Amino acid sequence: DSGVTQTPKHLITATGQRVTLRCSPRSGDLSVYWYQQSLDQGLQFLIQYYNGEERAKGNILERFSAQQFPDLHSELNLSSLELGDSALYFCASSVEPGGTGELFFGEGSRLTVL
Amino acid sequence: DQQVKQNSPSLSVQEGRISILNCDYTNSMFDYFLWYKKYPAEGPTFLISISSIKDKNEDGRFTVFLNKSAKHLSLHIVPSQPGDSAVYFCAASAGGGTASKLTFGTGTRLQVTL
Repeated sequence: DSGVTQTPKHLITATGQRVTLRCSPRSGDLSVYWYQQSLDQGLQFLIQYYNGEERAKGNILERFSAQQFPDLHSELNLSSLELGDSALYFCASSVEPGGTGELFFGEGSRLTVL
Repeated sequence: DQQVKQNSPSLSVQEGRISILNCDYTNSMFDYFLWYKKYPAEGPTFLISISSIKDKNEDGRFTVFLNKSAKHLSLHIVPSQPGDSAVYFCAASAGGGTASKLTFGTGTRLQVTL
């Protein structure tokens, strides 16, 4: 158990819809990262928050947005969903904003867009 | 553009033998490399890392070798155990190991047989 909690574990929705994925980092971790893993792809970095502020952005679509709340949990909002958004979305956390790459990952949220 | 490549999608090794997982990268700015292990229905877990100032790092049964001139790294597991059966991801970062900029490979599925 990494200590990172993601909900929901599975989500099935239709094209055009909007979903919210939630992540609770490990106790004491201030940084939260979101990654997307599509079929047969590596994990693609989407966005990072540190103590409530956006720290770094990767290849995140404009239809996607995220935020980190005062209690340090984070939400990833995906809107106007397309078939290609079907993927496993991982949240990870670490203590430091940069750190040494030792991220602690949640179990992921599997999104299926029909 | 796949900057981190794991060309072998799968590998089967007998228990007790050596497992060698390979990873190639194209970005010469990468200076910190990590291996993550992933079991089904779980998030990736950090395994071992290496800085570009070293060419080898060992942790128990796991050793990572880095060949900067060839832009190649490998993970050796000796001896392999059935519990090592998992998907292994190679990851790299530029700029001192900043976690937010980890670029992952597509993974190699290792199966350790009895």
